[in-house]
Amino acid sequence: GQQVMQIPQYQHVQEGEDFTTYCNSSTTLSNIQWYKQRPGGHPVFLIQLVKSGEVKKQKRLTFQFGEAKKNSSLHITATQTTDVGTYFCAGKDGATNKLIFGTGTLLAVQP
Amino acid sequence: DSGVTQTPKHLITATGQRVTLRCSPRSGDLSVYWYQQSLDQGLQFLIQYYNGEERAKGNILERFSAQQFPDLHSELNLSSLELGDSALYFCASSVGIQNYEQYFGPGTRLTVT
Repeated sequence: GQQVMQIPQYQHVQEGEDFTTYCNSSTTLSNIQWYKQRPGGHPVFLIQLVKSGEVKKQKRLTFQFGEAKKNSSLHITATQTTDVGTYFCAGKDGATNKLIFGTGTLLAVQP
Repeated sequence: DSGVTQTPKHLITATGQRVTLRCSPRSGDLSVYWYQQSLDQGLQFLIQYYNGEERAKGNILERFSAQQFPDLHSELNLSSLELGDSALYFCASSVGIQNYEQYFGPGTRLTVT
């Protein structure tokens, strides 16, 4: 079945450093969504990418969708302690329409 | 606050028992999704309902079932509980069936002893 893998599983950075998480799917995706889950909280929607090669920015966050629509990345510039949490990508399989969540990347930011 | 409510917040029960988790979607949302989150399995999609009808099924065990009622609230029934069913169960809702962001509830933490 479809798998959505994220790397790294865990990243520890100093405040001010950049951070990137990568999401890779075994199948072509019709769209990809990104969610953030704070420790003890629930996933919160960040953004959705639909078009091949699409790039979207939200302040210090940059999201990319690969040309083949099989991978995506989230880049945070100059991390802050408020960025702490687990970042999940969620890809919608083009054939089954199921939304499959990635394994998540836990970001820790040291002040 | 996402607007999605889930009850109860916590549930402790014994193996072999049956429990029901309840979810009320955001006002206006017709789709409801159920997810299971455990430490070693991440966020696993269980099932989706849209306007009362089952729309998609994920890795939902046969011991689990769900339904969405005419008022759009949903219930997830877990029976013959096992220790491995201990997890956080999230409900999410969205406006439509496809390509819509999902709003997650605060979750129900189930502990099976």
